[in-house]
Amino acid sequence: DAGVIQSPRHEVTEMGQEVTLRCKPISGHDYLFWYRQTMMRGLELLIYFNNNVPIDDSGMPEDRFSAKMPNASFSTLKIQPSEPRDSAVYFCASSQLGAGNQPQHFGDGTRLSIL
Amino acid sequence: SQKIEQNSEALNIQEGKTATLTCNYTNYSPAYLQWYRQDPGRGPVFLLLIRENEKEKRKERLKVTFDTTLKQSLFHITASQPADSATYLCALDNPTDSWGKLQFGAGTQVVVTP
Repeated sequence: DAGVIQSPRHEVTEMGQEVTLRCKPISGHDYLFWYRQTMMRGLELLIYFNNNVPIDDSGMPEDRFSAKMPNASFSTLKIQPSEPRDSAVYFCASSQLGAGNQPQHFGDGTRLSIL
Repeated sequence: SQKIEQNSEALNIQEGKTATLTCNYTNYSPAYLQWYRQDPGRGPVFLLLIRENEKEKRKERLKVTFDTTLKQSLFHITASQPADSATYLCALDNPTDSWGKLQFGAGTQVVVTP
């Protein structure tokens, strides 16, 4: 079975540019999570969706960040305008149910570098 | 504030020995605790889940304990192998927070030498 698919795997862009990260969750999973991982702050939850509806976006750092899930098989995380401090690895994960007793399945991430 | 602590120093261990990792938490009353493995350049991979009313869980060479009094989970890799070298993260849910939300520790790197 295909796992969570993220694209691109690497993105290098200049400060001020718009960045769009993409995620395809595992088919049949109702929950989708966006995380950011840095050495300083570890793995932080940015936002998550249930049945395509955003449930908790309290981790989104600023209004420059936005996320959408137009359908059950696709989500985007957008940063506009990007800043060097946004450089990190961004992970998407999905789970079948949203309870704490459900494992989350992660993609291999997008390594984002903002110059 | 809620906090999860894992050893920040890498654990260097000889092949065949048991590696023991610690996950301590404060200001949480998790119903579940999960352990993940992360290899360089990859996303975390789920390993084990333990419930608050379970003392111990095993899967092959892995064992997890959960002590809600001490607010601690221990993760053991027995008969360790070089292929076990990775970073291991613990994650907790918080039943008083958004349903399904996990908070992750920073992880502990394990290096198994032949």
